[in-house]
Amino acid sequence: SQQGEEDPQALSIQEGENATMNCSYKTSINNLQWYRQNSGRGLVHLILIRSNEREKHSGRLRVTLDTSKKSSSLLITASRAADTASYFCATDDTGGFKTIFGAGTRLFVKA
Amino acid sequence: DGGITQSPKYLFRKEGQNVTLSCEQNLNHDAMYWYRQDPGQGLRLIYYSQIVNDFQKGDIAEGYSVSREKKESFPLTVTSAQKNPTAFYLCASTRSGVGFYQPQHFGDGTRLSIL
Repeated sequence: SQQGEEDPQALSIQEGENATMNCSYKTSINNLQWYRQNSGRGLVHLILIRSNEREKHSGRLRVTLDTSKKSSSLLITASRAADTASYFCATDDTGGFKTIFGAGTRLFVKA
Repeated sequence: DGGITQSPKYLFRKEGQNVTLSCEQNLNHDAMYWYRQDPGQGLRLIYYSQIVNDFQKGDIAEGYSVSREKKESFPLTVTSAQKNPTAFYLCASTRSGVGFYQPQHFGDGTRLSIL
């Protein structure tokens, strides 16, 4: 069952602009993660935010979590062409063991 | 460098044939996972293993089989019973068998196609 759903499905911006991607989920979570996938490659973990955290930073990445709205956002500041990739949110299956991935946002950064 | 190695990168299957995808990790992780990714979609869990000699079915296990005889290795067999096997297959691992709060480490995938 799909838990996280990203929005938008695709995003095209100019280099230097900020990119914002959103993730909504249906049931309570313990944590939410964001991953990046370059074309034809595996996923790379970017950041994990726990349900008792509201915001987390890592370099040019800023993640927020609003558990009352069951949503999270990933902001990439000052984007670069190398940020072109698909970005996935993933939530844990509470009461279980599985991590559930959304369908992803495809980001294209034009140089 | 520690990581997960998947092979081959590309694989072609004939009708009625079983094929095996390799996944090896040198991260000393206990838990390993197999996912299937179809174009424009998220990852769907096929099988997972929390410890050697133990594994459980995920959401789409039909037509697939696995083994976990060594901690480092978690091969996936796509059997002839899987009627739509064309997809990108990803192997992942986590440090321990408990999934919460753990980032997953991924290999670079195997793309399987039908001849």
